[in-house]
Amino acid sequence: QVQLVESGGGVVQPGRSLRLSCAASGFTFSSYGMHWVRQAPGKGLEWVAIIWYDGSNKYYADSVKGRFTISRDNSKNTLYLQMNSLRAEDTAVYYCAKHYEQLGFDYWGQGALVTVSS
Amino acid sequence: SYELTQPPSVSVSPGQTARITCSGDALPKQYAYWYQQKPGQAPVLVIYKESERPSGIPERFSGSSSGTTVTLTISGVQAEDEADYYCQSADSSGTHRVFGGGTTLTVL
Repeated sequence: QVQLVESGGGVVQPGRSLRLSCAASGFTFSSYGMHWVRQAPGKGLEWVAIIWYDGSNKYYADSVKGRFTISRDNSKNTLYLQMNSLRAEDTAVYYCAKHYEQLGFDYWGQGALVTVSS
Repeated sequence: SYELTQPPSVSVSPGQTARITCSGDALPKQYAYWYQQKPGQAPVLVIYKESERPSGIPERFSGSSSGTTVTLTISGVQAEDEADYYCQSADSSGTHRVFGGGTTLTVL
């Protein structure tokens, strides 16, 4: 069965960096685009970034563009999100999600909480 | 930036029909998807490409589209359907995904 497991969350000071990982199993990871989606406490879902199946294309939400970098290692079945220059408003649960049927997401991880606070 | 608009809340009694709308200018050109999220859990896909239902999703969940509005319909609502529901699509270029603000479904 498909499993997505995020790791790397935690508490970080404003301006610092953090890298999230998402370990994938149960499907051919190298054949699918992958996304990061976040949810601030008590708020709605916000799409963060997408990376194509082969890493050839990446797109970002305006709120993170220039600060966050999505990447993947298909040999390790792992997705990453490098987050730099973190701000308080980046505090959220970060989910990795598998691309599905043109624009959607069919499987989600359990989420990793990132708290940006001094 | 592109936005999808949902009502903040919808309330229905058990057994009734709940309809949750989602409006956006690019919806005539881009597919819509619906997710259910219960407290403390990851979202679950309940409708894809406007009206398709993933395996394992009950038949009481259906989706439709008309112009710039898509609608999630839950027929014969059950207590277990109480959750937040999010529509999702993409901007006109198809590169940037976008979520609606979410609708809390309350089963009275």
